[in-house]
Amino acid sequence: KAGVTQTPRYLIKTRGQQVTLSCSPISGHRSVSWYQQTPGQGLQFLFEYFSETQRNKGNFPGRFSGRQFSNSRSEMNVSTLELGDSALYLCASSRGPPNTEAFFGQGTRLTVV
Amino acid sequence: GESVGLHLPTLSVQEGDNSIINCAYSNSASDYFIWYKQESGKGPQFIIDIRSNMDKRQGQRVTVLLNKTVKHLSLQIAATQPGDSAVYFCAENLQDDKIIFGKGTRLHILP
Repeated sequence: KAGVTQTPRYLIKTRGQQVTLSCSPISGHRSVSWYQQTPGQGLQFLFEYFSETQRNKGNFPGRFSGRQFSNSRSEMNVSTLELGDSALYLCASSRGPPNTEAFFGQGTRLTVV
Repeated sequence: GESVGLHLPTLSVQEGDNSIINCAYSNSASDYFIWYKQESGKGPQFIIDIRSNMDKRQGQRVTVLLNKTVKHLSLQIAATQPGDSAVYFCAENLQDDKIIFGKGTRLHILP
């Protein structure tokens, strides 16, 4: 059974650009959550999608957005990149609410220069 | 407020000894707690979870204890091995299913 797949693994972007990250959940999982991980702030919740609907949203500016497709694959987009957006972006999938075990991908390392 | 924190940023344990990693949470309405292990270059890996109607749950070499009175969670690793070296996160599932992670504790195994 394939795990959670995130692409790309590494990305370098320039300030002001926008970026799209992709997450393919485990087959049969309908919930996808996104997290930002930095040394200073740790793991911070961005948003969660279930059946193509955003169920929860963390405290991030509107530059951070996401969506989920009918096959449960999800993308997150960050527009007008800032240096502080450099981080490891992690995606986790689960069967769906409530309270089900989440499996993480290896993440996308985004560096903004 | 919504916060989950860890008492110690780094824990050094002799190989073969037991490790205890602690976590405090602030939301008394949280009903589901998870421990994750993150090795360098990898995403967090599920270790064990516990629901609020339990106070103890055991897995293979790991035990999670939940004390709802003082809002405290701990992870016990028996006979710590070099492969246990990682950062350990506790996470709290709020009633709206939002998961809040603690800052993490780095477990360092001494030979």
